[in-house]
Amino acid sequence: DTAVSQTPKYLVTQMGNDKSIKCEQNLGHDTMYWYKQDSKKFLKIMFSYNNKELIINETVPNRFSPKSPDKAHLNLHINSLELGDSAVYFCASSQAGGGSQRVGELFFGEGSRLTVL
Amino acid sequence: RKEVEQDPGPFNVPEGATVAFNCTYSNSASQSFFWYRQDCRKEPKLLMSVYSSGNEDGRFTAQLNRASQYISLLIRDSKLSDSATYLCVVNKNYQLIWGAGTKLIIKP
Repeated sequence: DTAVSQTPKYLVTQMGNDKSIKCEQNLGHDTMYWYKQDSKKFLKIMFSYNNKELIINETVPNRFSPKSPDKAHLNLHINSLELGDSAVYFCASSQAGGGSQRVGELFFGEGSRLTVL
Repeated sequence: RKEVEQDPGPFNVPEGATVAFNCTYSNSASQSFFWYRQDCRKEPKLLMSVYSSGNEDGRFTAQLNRASQYISLLIRDSKLSDSATYLCVVNKNYQLIWGAGTKLIIKP
């Protein structure tokens, strides 16, 4: 039973399209994240939610909109896709949120590989 | 200077050898530290957390040197399956700063 699951695993689409990636965790964690890993393999945080509330919103184009319907789900919608959006998007969850030393103990999903043509 | 720096490698190491690599961080107020491993085309997985001076788990030892502001990861008796990229993460005021990773290749 997968702890953090993302769908779809692969996404190939044309520039200008809108797409969504879904994430669900069954660990009972309060905090969820979206990370982007580009071709240089650098992991960059995009958003963090704690109990459905947005707590981190890094400098990300407003074409990216996260949505957390409940604390077990965090979805990512991307409008007007651009070539530079091609990357692997990882969802992660953590029991600890801000204020805990264990904030760095994350469980990642398998990633969603987005290719924009 | 980057907030978290790692030698990108690759480190090519024969099976059975001991290998160590460092991660330097710039903010002396950093509170906790984490090592993750990431296999090719897979997600990062937590290897070890460090909250005080260090931590040990089997063949893996992490040591924190606050005076020199680095954390090291030592792998003893390396296995082929240890081949991966090792990512250092620093907790700075409850924000996570990720290193770019060190690639390790264990050769038979």
